[in-house]
Amino acid sequence: DVKVTQSSRYLVKRTGEKVFLECVQDMDHENMFWYRQDPGLGLRLIYFSYDVKMKEKGDIPEGYSVSREKKERFSLILESASTNQTSMYLCASSHESKAFFGQGTRLTVV
Amino acid sequence: GENVEQHPSTLSVQEGDSAVIKCTYSDSASNYFPWYKQELGKRPQLIIDIRSNVGEKKDQRIAVTLNKTAKHFSLHITETQPEDSAVYFCAASPHQGAQKLVFGQGTRLTINP
Repeated sequence: DVKVTQSSRYLVKRTGEKVFLECVQDMDHENMFWYRQDPGLGLRLIYFSYDVKMKEKGDIPEGYSVSREKKERFSLILESASTNQTSMYLCASSHESKAFFGQGTRLTVV
Repeated sequence: GENVEQHPSTLSVQEGDSAVIKCTYSDSASNYFPWYKQELGKRPQLIIDIRSNVGEKKDQRIAVTLNKTAKHFSLHITETQPEDSAVYFCAASPHQGAQKLVFGQGTRLTINP
């Protein structure tokens, strides 16, 4: 089974903090994604990466950056957390379009 | 870019009845259409998918149909059971190379016993 693991299930951070969300996959997938899930809005793509050190903006990249130094690891960075970034964050990896998700990180910014 | 619309946002059906969820997409270049099920507190999981060279696909009680001309696809669940209660998401992949998925807004399906 594909395993996608996010480093934290729940996080509480203060406004202005720099926040790191980590994701690791064990299936040697080329593609990795960060989505944000909000009620009524579905899953919105923040950033994705199709190779080590390669990244592309998704639909809502503002306020976020990413890092992919190794194939198995994809990090999402909130440069200066704001309350409107309170959300569920889902990491995924994919092969031949089939995406497999991590368990999610519920981030609360206070 | 690609835009996926999903309806209805909530759906309640009696156990044993059928449920249908519909999605439309905007980019005619999209060629891959998966459906994900997300149970409460859990991660989304792929339940069925279809590629643009196929019109229909079945897997036991679930089926997906695709109408490329109209740019819409649907999820059909027959003989619904309580464990079918979940949020369902449709998605479309607009570019084969990038393989990124654009998701619909989700449908909360409730099966009433």
